[in-house]
Amino acid sequence: GNSVTQMEGPVTLSEEAFLTINCTYTATGYPSLFWYVQYPGEGLQLLLKATKADDKGSNKGFEATYRKETTSFHLEKGSVQVSDSAVYFCALSDYSGAGSYQLTFGKGTKLSVIP
Amino acid sequence: EAGVTQFPSHSVIEKGQTVTLRCDPISGHDNLYWYRRVMGKEIKFLLHFVKESKQDESGMPNNRFLAERTGGTYSTLKVQPAELEDSGVYFCASSPNQASEQYFGPGTRLTVT
Repeated sequence: GNSVTQMEGPVTLSEEAFLTINCTYTATGYPSLFWYVQYPGEGLQLLLKATKADDKGSNKGFEATYRKETTSFHLEKGSVQVSDSAVYFCALSDYSGAGSYQLTFGKGTKLSVIP
Repeated sequence: EAGVTQFPSHSVIEKGQTVTLRCDPISGHDNLYWYRRVMGKEIKFLLHFVKESKQDESGMPNNRFLAERTGGTYSTLKVQPAELEDSGVYFCASSPNQASEQYFGPGTRLTVT
């Protein structure tokens, strides 16, 4: 079956530090890859996505590149801000065979950015 | 445009009781999904509706869980009777097409004591 493994954290960084959250996956098909973010007290929001190999998703200064050869989709940001403090989830979407493109998630990484 | 809404935001019930969670998807979205996150574990898929039909319910844990989407609009997820291991956050998501982005609600935190 499909699975997603991401570094669990928690991760604590100082403002303006470089961020990397590792994510690797296994999939039976050719999945689309996502990073979702959950800010305190809010629901999941799509941060960025990539649908095929070598695609780079980007949003709000965050980037991730779909690496099929290493089955990875690592999240990076060059300079984090306090407002980036949240839980980040790596996920993939693949056809389930039961007629559904269900999402498979990693466990989430809690990021805290201190001033 | 209103997003996905869920009610209640938090529910505390005793083991053996019944709870019903509600999800209102984004208007016009035919696809509605339920997921849940049990403490310390991944967010797991429960089931998927296309309009009022269950397209995929492979993630439903057991027959204590009943999901409905009468009329193809809002959906309810009933847990009867609730067990301690049902505690967690239940998320609902909707999308216009099956392969498109899923928009999530804020979740319902269920605590079974």
